[in-house]
Amino acid sequence: EDQVTQSPEALRLQEGESSSLNCSYTVSGLRGLFWYRQDPGKGPEFLFTLYSAGEEKEKERLKATLTKKESFLHITAPKPEDSATYLCAVQASWGSGTYKYIFGTGTRLKVLA
Amino acid sequence: ETGVTQTPRHLVMGMTNKKSLKCEQHLGHNAMYWYKQSAKKPLELMFVYNFKEQTENNSVPSRFSPECPNSSHLFLHLHTLQPEDSALYLCASSQASLAGVGGEQFFGPGTRLTVL
Repeated sequence: EDQVTQSPEALRLQEGESSSLNCSYTVSGLRGLFWYRQDPGKGPEFLFTLYSAGEEKEKERLKATLTKKESFLHITAPKPEDSATYLCAVQASWGSGTYKYIFGTGTRLKVLA
Repeated sequence: ETGVTQTPRHLVMGMTNKKSLKCEQHLGHNAMYWYKQSAKKPLELMFVYNFKEQTENNSVPSRFSPECPNSSHLFLHLHTLQPEDSALYLCASSQASLAGVGGEQFFGPGTRLTVL
């Protein structure tokens, strides 16, 4: 069964304390892996797309990496404004040229000043 | 307006009411989606429209009825809902190809629905 699992469920960091969020997946025919940020009361905001193992993307304090089984979102020297829920999603082939999106439950990140 | 907009932002309805949620995307995309987001659960894909044609319906109850009149507008018609349907309903769009929907999705702010 296709599945996306994110860990930890929640994470509290001190400002400046770097850490990583994990997204492990089991899907057939991976077409892409996506990271989103979601603030309370808002829709998810797109961050990164990764297509193949070994690929890396960076944006400010965030860096996403991808292997054949998992992806990491590394947060370097986080600030309180980085507090949000981070969602991981995979796009997988679903036969007949169609695709499906599978989301994880997210990691709630809280950065303390 | 830019990005993906949704109205209303909040909706309270009784189980016998009929209401509609509206989504509009200003990104020139050709695929649109409805998702349901409940607490502690992953986003659940409800409907997908690719080039205005519905390509997925993940066994959603018939009390939810989508409508996509053009590639920029998407509606979700609601009738005789149940309290367990209370959730955040998100609309998204992406740039799809004729081979199938795909690519990163851009989400609206959502409609917070409460069914009494």
